[in-house]
Amino acid sequence: QKEVEQDPGPLSVPEGAIVSLNCTYSNSAFQYFMWYRQYSRKGPELLMYTYSSGNKEDGRFTAQVDKSSKYISLFIRDSQPSDSATYLCAMTLDISNSGYALNFGKGTSLLVTP
Amino acid sequence: EAQVTQNPRYLITVTGKKLTVTCSQNMNHEYMSWYRQDPGLGLRQIYYSMNVEVTDKGDVPEGYKVSRKEKRNFPLILESPSPNQTSLYFCASRGGTGGARGYTFGSGTRLTVV
Repeated sequence: QKEVEQDPGPLSVPEGAIVSLNCTYSNSAFQYFMWYRQYSRKGPELLMYTYSSGNKEDGRFTAQVDKSSKYISLFIRDSQPSDSATYLCAMTLDISNSGYALNFGKGTSLLVTP
Repeated sequence: EAQVTQNPRYLITVTGKKLTVTCSQNMNHEYMSWYRQDPGLGLRQIYYSMNVEVTDKGDVPEGYKVSRKEKRNFPLILESPSPNQTSLYFCASRGGTGGARGYTFGSGTRLTVV
C-alpha cells in the first residue's frame, strides 16, 4: 500500500465553484502536511503547509488535516481558470535526520472552465 | 531572485552515454534533493543531501549518483543511462529549521533515453 493516496482525477469544475481535493495516508508518524500546485511544464510550488491537525486559511485556499482519520483536504473557494493545474499533497516525518523527505500523492488534475 | 536552477531543461541521449544534470540554488540552503516524476507514479525521491559531503539514498537511487562538493550545487549523474530512466527530474532545496518550510523546486529536466 502506497503511503499517500490521491485521486488523480481529472476534476473539471465551472468557474466560481468550490473545489475539494483530498488525500489519505497510512503512516501515522507524518507531522507536516503540504499542498503543492504544479502547472504544466513547471516545478511544484508550495501552496499551503500545516503542522499536525487543524485548519489553515490563506485567501481562497483552506487546508484541513484530520490526523485521527489520516485524511487531508484542500478547499479552493471561488475557483478561477488560473487555478487549473495539478495539485499534489505531500507529507513528511518530524525526524531531522531523515532530511524531511517529502512523500507525495500522485496529484489531482484540476480544470476550471470559464 | 531566490531560485533553484536546473540544466538542461530538455535532454535526449542514447543508452549508456554518461550524463550530468546540474542543479544550483542561491538561497544558501543546506538541504537539497532530487526527484523524478513519472505518470501514474508521482514524484519519488532519488537522492538527498543534508549538507556538503553528506548524501543519502532516497526511494529510487538505482542507476544514479550525486555529489555535494559545494553548498549551492547538487548534480545528478547517470553513469550509464537506460530507457527506464526516461522521466521528468526535479531538484529541490529546503531552508528553515525543519518540517515543510522552504521547499523550492527547480523547473525540471525532461530526459529521454533512447
